[in-house]
Formats: sequence, structure tokens, C-alpha cells
Amino acid sequence: AQTVTQSQPEMSVQEAETVTLSCTYDTSESDYYLFWYKQPPSRQMILVIRQEAYKQQNATENRFSVNFQKAAKSFSLKISDSQLGDAAMYFCAYHPNTGANSKLTFGKGITLSVRP
Amino acid sequence: NAGVTQTPKFQVLKTGQSMTLQCAQDMNHEYMSWYRQDPGMGLRLIHYSVGAGITDQGEVPNGYNVSRSTTEDFPLRLLSAAPSQTSVYFCASSLDGVSSYNEQFFGPGTRLTVL
Repeated sequence: AQTVTQSQPEMSVQEAETVTLSCTYDTSESDYYLFWYKQPPSRQMILVIRQEAYKQQNATENRFSVNFQKAAKSFSLKISDSQLGDAAMYFCAYHPNTGANSKLTFGKGITLSVRP
Repeated sequence: NAGVTQTPKFQVLKTGQSMTLQCAQDMNHEYMSWYRQDPGMGLRLIHYSVGAGITDQGEVPNGYNVSRSTTEDFPLRLLSAAPSQTSVYFCASSLDGVSSYNEQFFGPGTRLTVL
């Protein structure tokens, strides 16, 4: 069974600084997708960034980028120039590309606070 | 498009009561799913559906029933609510679950308390 581990329950960053959120996963599949979701206090789940396992290039979306290490099964999220609006819970998630019954598996999440 | 909508936003039940959480999407998505979110547990899959008339169990299906009579709707039923079902429930949908993965769109969630 696939598992997703986020070992840090909480992190804090100074506004305008950079922070890295860690995630590791376990799978025997070679073709899959990895995601970071943001959940602000409004509860809405927002997709931040997505990485396809077959792509060697790390995904980037504006201030958000990932460090995808397939051999190490590591998928960290880097937030540059942190803003107060980045304060939220962040979830790492894994989805195998194995057809209709494949499922999205989430980590337990990390709460990020941003200090002004 | 309204996206994924869920009703109600909040609900309080007594142990043993039944209720249905509603979920609808207007994006013509084939794949729909229900998750529960508990503190320190992340989101866990309850049930999912790959199309009308087809449903399957996820990681934590006990105590919940689902049906998918139309593409748009995917209700979640609690037949006899228990305090352990106190949680925040999310419905999500994506274009399909067959071909290459499509982004899942989440509803706003329902906070359920069972006394």
C-alpha cells in the first residue's frame, strides 16, 4: 500500500523568507503523480503544484517549486518570498497512474504560520 | 460553473440519527469521491465512483453508504450516526479516473458533529 509521510506537524517562516516543507512517500509503482494542496482557514482545498513522476524537471508555479527526488521518494515544497496569505495547512498527496481504481493518498499535513 | 457544491455546511446530529450529505458537480466529471478529514490524520478516502452506477469503497467505508444515479450527484449517507463520525467531510470530482490523472476539485466541506 502506498503511504505519504509528512513528519513535521508545524513550521513557521518570517514574511519574505523562504521555507521548505518536507514529504516522503512509499510506493512500488513507477508511474504516478505527486501534489501539494493548500488548505487555508476557509477549509477550501486548493491545488498548489503537481509533479509527474516521469518528468525529471522539477515543477514550478510562481513562488512555489518542488524538489522531486524519485530514487529517494522525496517531494518537498519550497515557498519563496513567503506572504501572510501563505499561512495554511499544506498536504502532500500521491496518486498512482494505474487506471480507474487508483486513489489519491494524503499525508497528515503540516501547519505553516507566517510571521509578519 | 458552480464547481463542486456540498450541503449542508454544518450539521449536528445525535447518536443513532441518519442523514445524507449532498454533493453535486456541474463540470460533467466522471470521477467523484468522499473524504473525511480528522485532526492529525489528513484526508482519508471513504467511497468513490468512476461513473454513474459504479461505486467502490475507499480506506474508511464503514458506517457510510453511497450511490451514483446521475453523473452530477454523489450523496453520502450515514445510516446510524456515531460520535466517531464527527469530522469534516469533503467531496471531490475529476474528469475521469481512467486515463492520465486529472486534477481533483474539492467542495467547501461539511463539518459534522455527532453528539
